[in-house]
Amino acid sequence: QQQVKQSPQSLIVQKGGISIINCAYENTAFDYFPWYQQFPGKGPALLIAIRPDVSEKKEGRFTISFNKSAKQFSLHIMDSQPGDSATYFCAAAGGTSYGKLTFGQGTILTVHP
Amino acid sequence: GAGVSQSPSNKVTEKGKDVELRCDPISGHTALYWYRQSLGQGLEFLIYFQGNSAPDKSGLPSDRFSAERTGGSVSTLTIQRTQQEDSAVYLCASSGGGGTKTQYFGPGTRLLVL
Repeated sequence: QQQVKQSPQSLIVQKGGISIINCAYENTAFDYFPWYQQFPGKGPALLIAIRPDVSEKKEGRFTISFNKSAKQFSLHIMDSQPGDSATYFCAAAGGTSYGKLTFGQGTILTVHP
Repeated sequence: GAGVSQSPSNKVTEKGKDVELRCDPISGHTALYWYRQSLGQGLEFLIYFQGNSAPDKSGLPSDRFSAERTGGSVSTLTIQRTQQEDSAVYLCASSGGGGTKTQYFGPGTRLLVL
């Protein structure tokens, strides 16, 4: 009930391409869905987040698409750059969880120049 | 500082020793979370503080793990009688609370138990 499933585990994209990472959740009480970016040796940094009252949110090259009925959400990185190479985590929070985040397993993104 | 800080950044200890990990949250943030990041397990929730109280300790893996928070600010995570499976990166995050759910993470403490 608390799981968040993320795919793919790893992704290789050419510079300028589109990177797409998908997540699915089970707990319908979740009402906050952030994406975090993590570089080696650093803590996760919030990239973008969405709440279920909207189906899409865009910030620069990063877009979250949210499908409430399917309980799925995805991160799209447009015009991917080598500097985007990092590990990306989706997460979810809500209900009586005191805001604690349930994370997906992570996606290692490599953008080739 | 402006962000969440953690110390030490790296800790190597021997099996059976106790360790203390420290977290300094963003000033004014009332909510504080500890997570553990290990290979194969991803990021796992450990404990949540609101002020100095811990209403959710459900992620602590055993009674060897404990945490406290004093003055509504600094938090310490203590692992007693460390085991090799405790080796991981321990991450602290803070949030403004009051319905705000954005969590800001520190750089983590990398713990290696030999």
